[in-house]
Amino acid sequence: NAGVTQTPKFRILKIGQSMTLQCAQDMNHNYMYWYRQDPGMGLKLIYYSVGAGITDKGEVPNGYNVSRSTTEDFPLRLELAAPSQTSVYFCASREGLADETQYFGPGTRLLVL
Amino acid sequence: KQEVTQIPAALSVPEGENLVLNCSFTDSAIYNLQWFRQDPGKGLTSLLLIQSSQREQTSGRLNASLDKSSGRSTLYIAASQPGDSATYLCAPNTGNQFYFGTGTSLTVIP
Repeated sequence: NAGVTQTPKFRILKIGQSMTLQCAQDMNHNYMYWYRQDPGMGLKLIYYSVGAGITDKGEVPNGYNVSRSTTEDFPLRLELAAPSQTSVYFCASREGLADETQYFGPGTRLLVL
Repeated sequence: KQEVTQIPAALSVPEGENLVLNCSFTDSAIYNLQWFRQDPGKGLTSLLLIQSSQREQTSGRLNASLDKSSGRSTLYIAASQPGDSATYLCAPNTGNQFYFGTGTSLTVIP
C-alpha cells in the first residue's frame, strides 16, 4: 500500500510555462484534495473532489485546474505559471464514510522564476 | 469562512514536560477536527481525529479534546521527548473542506 504519491518532488518553472502535478492514491478513497502551503502559513485548499468526475473549487482556485477521471488519480494543472504560485503543493485523500482521516502525500516543491 | 488560530506559534520545552497546544476556530458547525504533525520539509502525518460528538480522543501520549460549542480544541502531549519536535497543525472539517491553522512549532530540548 503506497498511500498517496506525488510527482515530481521538485520543479523549477519559468513564468508563463505550464505543468501538471500528479497525485495518485491506492486506498480507493472517494475524496481527494489539493492544498498549497506558503512559508510560515497554513495549508490553503485549491480544489477538491468527492469522487470520479466531480470536482469543486476550494479557497484559492485561481490559476489552477483539476480533473478526476478515475478514483485513483487527481492531477493539478498550472496554466501560465506566475511567481505567486511558488509554493509547496500537497495532495491528500480520505475515504469519507467509515474513515474520515485525511492522508497526505509527501508534497511537490514548485519554484516559479 | 472558517478561521483557525493556533496558540502559541512556537514553544520550546525541556524533555519530560507535559504541554498543551491550543486551537480555536470561528465556525462551530464542524463534523470533526484532525490534528497533524509536520516535520521540516515533509508532508503531514495524522495524529488524532476527533468527531464532533466526542469530547476526547487518545493515542499513546497524545490526548485531544474538543469543545465544539466554544470553538476550541487542545492537544495534550505527555512526557515530551526530543522526537516530538515538529510543527503541529489542527484542521476542523466543515463537510467537504478542512481548514488549517498556521501551526505550533514545538522544540523539545534534551
